[in-house]
Amino acid sequence: AQTVTQSQPEMSVQEAETVTLSCTYDTSENNYYLFWYKQPPSRQMILVIRQEAYKQQNATENRFSVNFQKAAKSFSLKISDSQLGDTAMYFCAFMKRGFNKFYFGSGTKLNVKP
Amino acid sequence: GAVVSQHPSRVICKSGTSVKIECRSLDFQATTMFWYRQFPKKSLMLMATSNEGSKATYEQGVEKDKFLINHASLTLSTLTVTSAHPEDSSFYICSATQQGGVYGYTFGSGTRLTVV
Repeated sequence: AQTVTQSQPEMSVQEAETVTLSCTYDTSENNYYLFWYKQPPSRQMILVIRQEAYKQQNATENRFSVNFQKAAKSFSLKISDSQLGDTAMYFCAFMKRGFNKFYFGSGTKLNVKP
Repeated sequence: GAVVSQHPSRVICKSGTSVKIECRSLDFQATTMFWYRQFPKKSLMLMATSNEGSKATYEQGVEKDKFLINHASLTLSTLTVTSAHPEDSSFYICSATQQGGVYGYTFGSGTRLTVV
């Protein structure tokens, strides 16, 4: 079975600063995908970034980047130049390749302070 | 981009009654739809997966007779909570995909169900 662990229930960061959210996962699979989803107060789940496990290069999307350590089964999200609109719950998720099922972590609530 | 509409956004029903939640893909054909349940300050738990025209596949521990899922068309899936009880109160979220794989998942904005 796959499990996803987010050990930081809540974090705060000052606007314009950088913050890193942690995520670890456990799987015996070799082919899979990892995701970070954002859930703002509107409750709409929004894809932030995704990573294919077979790619060694870390994914980047504008201010968002990941540090993917496959051997350590770690997948952290770095948010640079934090903005007030980044305030949200962030969920790390795992999906086995070829299967339509997400395994979500318990989430990290990020507060960006002005 | 792909849009999934979920309706209603909030519903209050009396204990013992049934309530239906709709999930529509507005600009694409959703071959597969998913229903999640999210408890307060908790993660999303997959309840069931439905393919158009087929019976839904339920996750272990989910009562299929209580949570009826219908995916009659490529743009609409419904979740009916039958004989609702206060413990069914939760946030329900649907998701849809057209092509599967990593690139095609879109989530609805969720439905807050309160059973009184």
